[in-house]
Amino acid sequence: KQEVTQIPAALSVPEGENLVLNCSFTDSAIYNLQWFRQDPGKGLTSLLLIQSSQREQTSGRLNASLDKSSGRSTLYIAASQPGDSATYLCAVTFGNEKLTFGTGTRLTIIP
Amino acid sequence: GAVVSQHPSWVICKSGTSVKIECRSLDFQATTMFWYRQFPKQSLMLMATSNEGSKATYEQGVEKDKFLINHASLTLSTLTVTSAHPEDSSFYICSARDEVADDSYNEQFFGPGTRLTVL
Repeated sequence: KQEVTQIPAALSVPEGENLVLNCSFTDSAIYNLQWFRQDPGKGLTSLLLIQSSQREQTSGRLNASLDKSSGRSTLYIAASQPGDSATYLCAVTFGNEKLTFGTGTRLTIIP
Repeated sequence: GAVVSQHPSWVICKSGTSVKIECRSLDFQATTMFWYRQFPKQSLMLMATSNEGSKATYEQGVEKDKFLINHASLTLSTLTVTSAHPEDSSFYICSARDEVADDSYNEQFFGPGTRLTVL
């Protein structure tokens, strides 16, 4: 069964710190991996998309990496801000082209 | 970037009634759209894949007669929750793939979601 797991489920860090969110998946035959942000009661905001042939993508203070062999991806957030507080979801498109979502990490940045 | 809209953004209905949710791709054509459901404090679960001009493909455990999907055009898919009950209360989110753009990388673009509350 193709599964996506995110640990920890919740994370609190002081403002200004750098942080890493983790995502693991069970099947290395992936098409792509996406990181999303979801604010409470809202829809999804796409942050980064990494193709299976890529190892990382960067956008502003965000950097996402992909290691297919180990079944892992990380989302690095530099110089965290209170506005970064949200739930971050990792989603993997496996070979069957369906998007499987992880359980999410609820991030709180403490001012 | 590609934009997907949903209507309504929220709806409250009485138990036993039917509710229709629309998902539109505003600036691209989508032969494939997806419907997800998200319960409080949980992640998104794929309900069904909507295919333009053909029947939808439902995930295991999703009742096709209860969740009717119609993908009548390349820019519109609808999800109708029939005979809704309180346990159907959830956040319903659709997505669409831009399968024409060369640089789409099979990316799914998500709508803002519809919050359904069944009394």
